[in-house]
Amino acid sequence: QVKLQESGPGLVRPSQTLSLTCTVSGVSFTSHGYFWTWVRQRPGKGLEWIGFIYFSGTTYYSPSLKSRLTMSVDPSKNQFSLKLSSATAADTARYYCARVYARDWYFDYWGQGTPVTVSS
Amino acid sequence: QSALTQPASVSGSPGQSITLSCTGSSTDVGDYNYVSWYQHIPGKAPKLLIYEVSDRPVGVSYRFSGSKSGNTASLTISGLRAEDEADYYCASYTNTNNWVFGGGTKLTVL
Repeated sequence: QVKLQESGPGLVRPSQTLSLTCTVSGVSFTSHGYFWTWVRQRPGKGLEWIGFIYFSGTTYYSPSLKSRLTMSVDPSKNQFSLKLSSATAADTARYYCARVYARDWYFDYWGQGTPVTVSS
Repeated sequence: QSALTQPASVSGSPGQSITLSCTGSSTDVGDYNYVSWYQHIPGKAPKLLIYEVSDRPVGVSYRFSGSKSGNTASLTISGLRAEDEADYYCASYTNTNNWVFGGGTKLTVL
């Protein structure tokens, strides 16, 4: 059974870097044809795509976050990570990691999400 | 990239059919068949309902169906049940390897 689990600090200070990790289990992280992605939901708002990463390290980022975003993978740990620099209150959200089936481009497995608050 | 447009809320009675709309543009919904729909209960993992406009994953009820016309995609839920009460999001692949979600529709079962 495919499972994704987000982890990371629930509180980040403004101007600091927001860092999260997603641990994947039940499936080979290096399977061809799948991207790994982050999506967030700010309070009272809809879902917002953040970016994709392939197990090889190839990335695609949302244009609105590209200047502050870094995604990386650690295949040895079946993990991928997100770093969002210069965090502001606008980055307060529930962050979800998910798997994307690249042939038909859909998000087939999601984590439960982890809340992150940016506040002093 | 602007979010896809979805009505903020929709309601229906048990047994009814309802259709949720998702309007994009010629650079996303109108140009690609990579439109998918997700059911989301806040605090839980979103669930894939429809992919590639109208395909249903194994295990998803036949009561959920999808379609597209021009820049607008639609999700129809037939035989509405209390358990269908949730938020529903559409998503579309766009040009330049980007993705965009809709703002979400809150479905209330009366």
